[in-house]
Amino acid sequence: DGGITQSPKYLFRKEGQNVTLSCEQNLNHDAMYWYRQDPGQGLRLIYYSQIVNDFQKGDIAEGYSVSREKKESFPLTVTSAQKNPTAFYLCASTVRGYGYTFGSGTRLTVV
Amino acid sequence: AQTVTQSQPEMSVQEAETVTLSCTYDTSENNYYLFWYKQPPSRQMILVIRQEAYKQQNATENRFSVNFQKAAKSFSLKISDSQLGDTAMYFCAFVVRQGGSEKLVFGKGTKLTVNP
Repeated sequence: DGGITQSPKYLFRKEGQNVTLSCEQNLNHDAMYWYRQDPGQGLRLIYYSQIVNDFQKGDIAEGYSVSREKKESFPLTVTSAQKNPTAFYLCASTVRGYGYTFGSGTRLTVV
Repeated sequence: AQTVTQSQPEMSVQEAETVTLSCTYDTSENNYYLFWYKQPPSRQMILVIRQEAYKQQNATENRFSVNFQKAAKSFSLKISDSQLGDTAMYFCAFVVRQGGSEKLVFGKGTKLTVNP
């Protein structure tokens, strides 16, 4: 079955450490997205990519970086510049206008 | 700015009754898409219903239906015959297009509790 796989499910980061969240899809979708979810904030867009080797900043891109070297993969790196990274992270992909498919998320905690 | 507003942070309903969740949005576009997503305690995002702005007919999916008022920029979700499994966060969302790209903008959500 086609879908989006996010890994790991839980991730712990030490102060000053970079960590990378994985997002892989086998839906043949061109566009992929990373959202951050905090209590009472809804989902806020971090980065998005419409095609391979191209991506745009979302509303809260500071402290994050991405790459899109393959159509299937859109990893998100949370850098040490992100001062409050504890949150739930969701990856999504879409065929334009039809609907967005989401992964099951990664819970990141700073320890 | 293109925004989505959900004015009800929390709602509750008795099992088998009907509940309506409100959503308003702001856009200058004429053709766009609106969605309702459900997020149960598992935190998986599940598409509930989708509406294309050029279609005047309100979308329905089994017990879920929308009241789409384009002029008022309103997109409410009605859940009929509420079930315990409907307990979840519900997010209204709206596709924003800028140049050749598009992105999904979310409201802050409504926490719905269905009581037995």
